[in-house]
Amino acid sequence: GAVVSQHPSRVICKSGTSVKIECRSLDFQATTMFWYRQFPKQSLMLMATSNEGSKATYEQGVEKDKFLINHASLTLSTLTVTSAHPEDSSFYICSAAEDGWSEKLFFGSGTQLSVL
Amino acid sequence: EDQVTQSPEALRLQEGESSSLNCSYTVSGLRGLFWYRQDPGKGPEFLFTLYSAGEEKEKERLKATLTKKESFLHITAPKPEDSATYLCAVDRGSTLGRLYFGRGTQLTVWP
Repeated sequence: GAVVSQHPSRVICKSGTSVKIECRSLDFQATTMFWYRQFPKQSLMLMATSNEGSKATYEQGVEKDKFLINHASLTLSTLTVTSAHPEDSSFYICSAAEDGWSEKLFFGSGTQLSVL
Repeated sequence: EDQVTQSPEALRLQEGESSSLNCSYTVSGLRGLFWYRQDPGKGPEFLFTLYSAGEEKEKERLKATLTKKESFLHITAPKPEDSATYLCAVDRGSTLGRLYFGRGTQLTVWP
């Protein structure tokens, strides 16, 4: 089946630094990718929709200047958490749909971000 | 406002003890309802997609059903390896793949 690779799996950084998370579709092209955030014991919350070659669409309440999304190719989307603070510590997960739509939305393995 | 509510929050079963997990939803323009399994520290693993009331899908010990207001995930004769958090999500429709998740049911199956 289709695989979505996410890197890194875990990152620890100091407050005020920026962190980049990569999401790759390994064996299919993904025009659209999605970024989610999950706090402990909470549901996955959609942050933004990443569109190849155009600007991302952010969900209400998500700061677009803080969470920069770039979808430069059909197999790669990146999420950069700028000037990270402890409250940004969370589990970040990406997903991608093969051929733009499939009943199977494939998820990456997630990135645990800890901001000290 | 769109809502997805899962119950129970946690469920402990003895191996072989069948049960059901519930997902109730209020969504305008439901495009699809998804069930995922999530292990600790991992991304969700796809199980099923249901599109219309009355639809049922099965995979090994799992069976998912859908009505106009809720979905059930039935687990028959569970094994310890079925222990995980089971997530329900709805596709909100304006862009395919924008999922709205419930909080999940944490299932523990003990031998």
